[in-house]
Formats: sequence, C-alpha cells, structure tokens
Amino acid sequence: TQLLEQSPQFLSIQEGENLTVYCNSSSVFSSLQWYRQEPGEGPVLLVTVVTGGEVKKLKRLTFQFGDARKDSSLHITAAQPGDTGLYLCAGRDQAGTALIFGKGTTLSVSS
Amino acid sequence: KAGVTQTPRYLIKTRGQQVTLSCSPISGHRSVSWYQQTPGQGLQFLFEYFSETQRNKGNFPGRFSGRQFSNSRSEMNVSTLELGDSALYLCASSLFTSYEQYFGPGTRLTVT
Repeated sequence: TQLLEQSPQFLSIQEGENLTVYCNSSSVFSSLQWYRQEPGEGPVLLVTVVTGGEVKKLKRLTFQFGDARKDSSLHITAAQPGDTGLYLCAGRDQAGTALIFGKGTTLSVSS
Repeated sequence: KAGVTQTPRYLIKTRGQQVTLSCSPISGHRSVSWYQQTPGQGLQFLFEYFSETQRNKGNFPGRFSGRQFSNSRSEMNVSTLELGDSALYLCASSLFTSYEQYFGPGTRLTVT
C-alpha cells in the first residue's frame, strides 16, 4: 500500500516567518501534487512536480521533488495570514489512476 | 468557466437512511472522482467515473456506489448510513483520467 506521510501535522507561526512542510513515502511516485484547502472549501491545486530533483516556484512558495521521487517539500518564505490553510500532498497510485493523499499540514499564520 | 458544483452543501441524515449526493463537473471534463474526507483518515479515494463507466474504486464497502450520466454529471449514493459515514464528500473533475483534478466545495454529511 502506498502511503504519504506529512509533517508537521500542525504549524502555528507569526507573519513574516519562513516554514517548510514535508511529504514522505517509502514508495516511488510518478508525480506529486500539492493542494491548499481552506475551511468549507475543496482543495485547490497549487503545483504538480514530475521530475526527480525538480524545483518549482510559485511567488513565495517553493516546491521540491526528491531525486528518488519518494518525497517532496513545500517551503514558504515570509508567510502571510492568507497562507493559512490545510496543505495536502498527493500522488498517483501505481496504476496511475487514483490520487493518494497525505493527511495534511494545518498551517496557521497570525499577524 | 464555472467550477465544479456539488449539491447539497450540507445534509443531516439518520442512521440507517440512504443519501444521494450530486456533482456537476467543469464543462468539457469527462472524468469525475469522489473522495471522503474525515479528520482521522484524511482524504480517501472512493471511485472514479469516465464516460459513464467506473474506472477505479477505492477500499470502501458496497454501501457506497456511484454513477455518471451522459452529460458527465455524477451522483454517489450511500445506503444504510452509519455514524462513521459523517464526513465531507468531495467531487473532483478532470478532462481525462489521470489528468489534473479540480475539486468542488464538497457536501458535508452528518449522520445522527
């Protein structure tokens, strides 16, 4: 069974701080996706990483896919209250059909 | 372009009843997937439909079923509701199977 472990589970920081969220697995994934979910809403896709070692930047967010395609990280620079939410990583299962989700990191940024 | 819509947004049912949830995908999207989200288990895949055919199914009991219509709209049904079925049910659509998915706001089901 393919599993994705996310850490930390909860993170509470002040505006302006930097943070990193991790997504790890013992399995290889062909691609990994990161989503952000706000209360009462569905997850919104932030990025898809496909190539081992790939780094993608989205404004203050930096996503990295591990060389072995078993792990990924999300780094946020100078966090803002608008970054508050549940961050989820997801990978395609071996059949390439279903998305397997980690349990997420709940981020709270206070001003 | 309108996003994925789900109806109803909130639902309260009694144990033993059945429920039907509806999902309208983004126009042009032919694949619809359903997920259950709970605080303990997180997001878990229920099933995926493409062109009215179930393509993949997660590890859920047979009480959970779904279907897709010719216009790509999808419904999921849960029979003989249990307290543990209380969850946020999310629908996601994509152009084709394995393409990027776009989620709806979900239906919050509470079973009492």
